[in-house]
Amino acid sequence: NAGVMQNPRHLVRRRGQEARLRCSPMKGHSHVYWYRQLPEEGLKFMVYLQKENIIDESGMPKERFSAEFPKEGPSILRIQQVVRGDSAAYFCASSPKRDTNTDTQYFGPGTRLTVL
Amino acid sequence: QKEVEQNSGPLSVPEGAIASLNCTYSDRGSQSFFWYRQYSGKSPELIMFIYSNGDKEDGRFTAQLNKASQYVSLLIRDSQPSDSATYLCAVNPRSSASKIIFGSGTRLSIRP
Repeated sequence: NAGVMQNPRHLVRRRGQEARLRCSPMKGHSHVYWYRQLPEEGLKFMVYLQKENIIDESGMPKERFSAEFPKEGPSILRIQQVVRGDSAAYFCASSPKRDTNTDTQYFGPGTRLTVL
Repeated sequence: QKEVEQNSGPLSVPEGAIASLNCTYSDRGSQSFFWYRQYSGKSPELIMFIYSNGDKEDGRFTAQLNKASQYVSLLIRDSQPSDSATYLCAVNPRSSASKIIFGSGTRLSIRP
């Protein structure tokens, strides 16, 4: 029973390049959440998606960041024109349904983005 | 005021003792509360969740919730060196049913 999968595990980009982070939820899960964690800090919510829909993107920076969860394939977090401040660990979590009173979020191993 | 506050630590506890981790939250209407453990360089893993006032026990772990005081805690009995990690408190606020707000975590160190 595969858990949440993320790839790549490590990603190095130069300033100005694009970063694409992928997340495949657990089997049977249709809800995906993206979080960012800076060194020595807690997790910051970025976006919550269901298949083909963005439900809550209140934690996403207004520029350069976008997320999608297509009908087929993984969820993708895209960062355009990366800057050094984007260096962080990006975690994806999934749950079977929206109601967090009855379901918990299971985290993937994360993608560690380094911007040179 | 931060939405979820934790003492960053480090909290040092001798092996075999009880470790007590505390968390306060600002949204009085919050409904769900979670404790995650995160080892250095790894992803968070859920330890416990609690919804109702009082205590909830699972093995060596006990979560305590006091909604009137807006306070949630995690007790770890018979602490082991393998419990050394950062513990993240997380809250599902009333303002949004779709996201969980995390505290910045408490670093726990169990000394042999």
